[in-house]
Amino acid sequence: NAGVTQTPKFQVLKTGQSMTLQCAQDMNHNSMYWYRQDPGMGLRLIYYSASEGTTDKGEVPNGYNVSRLNKREFSLRLESAAPSQTSVYFCASIRDMIIGELFFGEGSRLTVL
Amino acid sequence: GENVEQHPSTLSVQEGDSAVIKCTYSDSASNYFPWYKQELGKGPQLIIDIRSNVGEKKDQRIAVTLNKTAKHFSLHITETQPEDSAVYFCAASRSGYSTLTFGKGTMLLVSP
Repeated sequence: NAGVTQTPKFQVLKTGQSMTLQCAQDMNHNSMYWYRQDPGMGLRLIYYSASEGTTDKGEVPNGYNVSRLNKREFSLRLESAAPSQTSVYFCASIRDMIIGELFFGEGSRLTVL
Repeated sequence: GENVEQHPSTLSVQEGDSAVIKCTYSDSASNYFPWYKQELGKGPQLIIDIRSNVGEKKDQRIAVTLNKTAKHFSLHITETQPEDSAVYFCAASRSGYSTLTFGKGTMLLVSP
């Protein structure tokens, strides 16, 4: 079992460029999340998808868009990258949102110059 | 919304000592409190959780305690080992289609 797979693992962008982070899970989970992790800030929720066909904003959604492509895949798009979006991004999934274990991917380190 | 405060931000102990990490939360309706461990270069992984209907839960060298009146919960690691070195996150949420709010994390370093 691969669990939660994120691509790419590393990416360097210039300010203003766009890119999409891909996430896929093979556990038949209903809910998926995107977090960002910054030093001293913990894990902050960007967007989540409670179920296929729905998406909702989290704590820090500005500058991002998401797509729940199907039950397995949840992508995060930066339309015009800014240095403030330099971070480590984690995708996570859970069977459903009514209390359970979040399974995280290994992260995508993004640097915006 | 929920706010979770976590202390300390860094903790250094000698192998074999105990380590305690404390968290407070603000939403009295929160009833689920997990702890995640993040090893270097990896994603966080659940190590233990507690629900509001119990005050303590143990799993081998790890225990979590919950004080709902004071709105705080703690992670206790006994007989620490170098492989316990990692970043630990506490979190809180309500049940029923709620999202987790994480603390800022504690970097635990266990020296041989």
